[in-house]
Amino acid sequence: EVQLVESGGELVQPGGSLTLSCTTSGFNFSVYSMTWVRQAPGKGLEWLSYISGGSGTKYHAASVRGRFTVSRDNSKNSLYLQMNSLRDDDTAVYYCARVLSSHSNAMNLYHWGQGTLVTVSS
Amino acid sequence: VLTQTPGTLSLSPGERASLSCRASQTVNNFLAWYQQRPGQAPRLLIYGASIRAPGIPDRFSGSGSATDFTLTISRLEPEDSAIYYCQQYGSSPPRCSFGQGTKLEIK
Repeated sequence: EVQLVESGGELVQPGGSLTLSCTTSGFNFSVYSMTWVRQAPGKGLEWLSYISGGSGTKYHAASVRGRFTVSRDNSKNSLYLQMNSLRDDDTAVYYCARVLSSHSNAMNLYHWGQGTLVTVSS
Repeated sequence: VLTQTPGTLSLSPGERASLSCRASQTVNNFLAWYQQRPGQAPRLLIYGASIRAPGIPDRFSGSGSATDFTLTISRLEPEDSAIYYCQQYGSSPPRCSFGQGTKLEIK
């Protein structure tokens, strides 16, 4: 069974930093592209970042480019999101998600974690 | 930019729902639909505009091309109450964006 479990969400002050983790199991992690998506309270979905299976391709949404960095450790079956210079409007549930097919980088997000809540507030 | 209509849809069990998603420019059928029930993560329903994801019942169908897409849910059930998002995605560079969502209420 495919499982994705996010962790690392907490209350952080504006301007602070935080690293989220997504620990996976049940599939060959190294061959699948992964993404981060967030959802502010009561709001819609916002895609944040993409990383290919071998980490050769990374891409971030304009709203977080330069502040957030996606990475992965295939030896640990884990995905990460380093978040710097956090702002109040970064408050959200952060989801990691796996693409449907290992043969395509199309972001058809078939497997999702349960999300981890990041609250940015003083 | 993806624009979803209507904002909210209220229907009865057994009826059929049609949800619309319009793109500001062509997305070449790189269009997906997700269902999000309260308190849950999103669930992929349709990708490639009309391909059902594994395990999705055939009550869910997608249609459309270029800039205008529709998610149709037939024989509505109470469990279909959720927010539905469309998503456009590209590969060069890899990126995606979501519509603002349509809330479906089953009375």
